[in-house]
Amino acid sequence: DSGVTQTPKHLITATGQRVTLRCSPRSGDLSVYWYQQSLDQGLQFLIQYYNGEERAKGNILERFSAQQFPDLHSELNLSSLELGDSALYFCASTRQGQNTEAFFGQGTRLTVV
Amino acid sequence: DQQVKQNSPSLSVQEGRISILNCDYTNSMFDYFLWYKKYPAEGPTFLISISSIKDKNEDGRFTVFLNKSAKHLSLHIVPSQPGDSAVYFCAASAPGAGSYQLTFGKGTKLSVIP
Repeated sequence: DSGVTQTPKHLITATGQRVTLRCSPRSGDLSVYWYQQSLDQGLQFLIQYYNGEERAKGNILERFSAQQFPDLHSELNLSSLELGDSALYFCASTRQGQNTEAFFGQGTRLTVV
Repeated sequence: DQQVKQNSPSLSVQEGRISILNCDYTNSMFDYFLWYKKYPAEGPTFLISISSIKDKNEDGRFTVFLNKSAKHLSLHIVPSQPGDSAVYFCAASAPGAGSYQLTFGKGTKLSVIP
């Protein structure tokens, strides 16, 4: 158990819809990272939040957005969903201020039909 | 443009033998490298890491080697066990603006045959 909790584990939704994925980082971790893993692809960095503020952005579509709340949990919002958005979405957390390993949640498998 | 490449999608090794997983990178700004293991339906689990100031790091059966001039790193597992069967991801990070985002390779599926 990494200590990072993601909900839901599975999500099936129709094209054009909007979904919200939730992540609770490890206790004490201020940074949350979101990654997307599509079929046969490595994990692609989407966005990072640190203590409630956006810190870095990767290959995140404009239809996607995220936020981190005062209790440090984070949500990734995906809207106007397309078939190609079907993927595994992982959240990871790290201690800030040091280059160290990221701890990953179990992921949310999103299927857009 | 893939900055971290794992050119072998799969690898089969006999139990008890050595498994060697390879990874190449192109971004010379990367200064920290990690290996993650992933089982189906689970998130990636951290295995071992190495800083660019070192060329080797060892943790039990796992050793990571870094060759900066060749921009190459490898993970050695000795001896390999059936429980090591999983997908292994190489990842790297570059310093900057307090973000330690990781760039991942596509993974190598290791099968350890009993």
